Amino acid sequence: AQTVTQSQPEMSVQEAETVTLSCTYDTSESNYYLFWYKQPPSRQMILVIRQEAYKQQNATENRFSVNFQKAAKSFSLKISDSQLGDTAMYFCASGGGADGLTFGKGTHLIIQP
Amino acid sequence: ETGVTQSPTHLIKTRGQQVTLRCSSQSGHNTVSWYQQALGQGPQFIFQYYREEENGRGNFPPRFSGLQFPNYSSELNVNALELDDSALYLCASSPPSGSRGNTQYFGPGTRLTVL
Repeated sequence: AQTVTQSQPEMSVQEAETVTLSCTYDTSESNYYLFWYKQPPSRQMILVIRQEAYKQQNATENRFSVNFQKAAKSFSLKISDSQLGDTAMYFCASGGGADGLTFGKGTHLIIQP
Repeated sequence: ETGVTQSPTHLIKTRGQQVTLRCSSQSGHNTVSWYQQALGQGPQFIFQYYREEENGRGNFPPRFSGLQFPNYSSELNVNALELDDSALYLCASSPPSGSRGNTQYFGPGTRLTVL
């Protein structure tokens, strides 16, 4: 069974600051995928970034990047130059095969003007 | 490119009734997964359909069932509704296996309220 833990229920930063959201996971799979999803008040779950565990290079998508520490089973998300539109729930997830995705409980990120 | 769509947006049912939720997968995607998201929680995996067969299931009772059609659209059926079934139901589709085959793209969800 897979588990995903997000230890920060809520975070608040000023616009333009950099913020890091934490995530740890546990899995018995040898090859797996990790994801960060964003869920704004509109409820739509939006893919932010994806990491394949066998790739050592950290994934980057514009202002979003991850710090993937495979041995420590850590997968944090860094948001640079934060914007008001980044305000949302952020979910860390692992898996994606026939067993579906396992999600953490989420971090509510608030970007203050 | 059309994304994942779900219907209806909202639904109110009474305990003991049955409900059907619908999902159209993103163009080119052949796998559909369903999730239940209770208020304030992360989504929980219900099941996954591939080639019109259930090929993976989470810890949900048999009264949660589904279908996938030849055009890859899908239905989620819940029988004998209970109050705890009140939640946001999310559908996600995935492309064929390959570089992005494990990535799931979500629809806007159906909010189900059971009274």
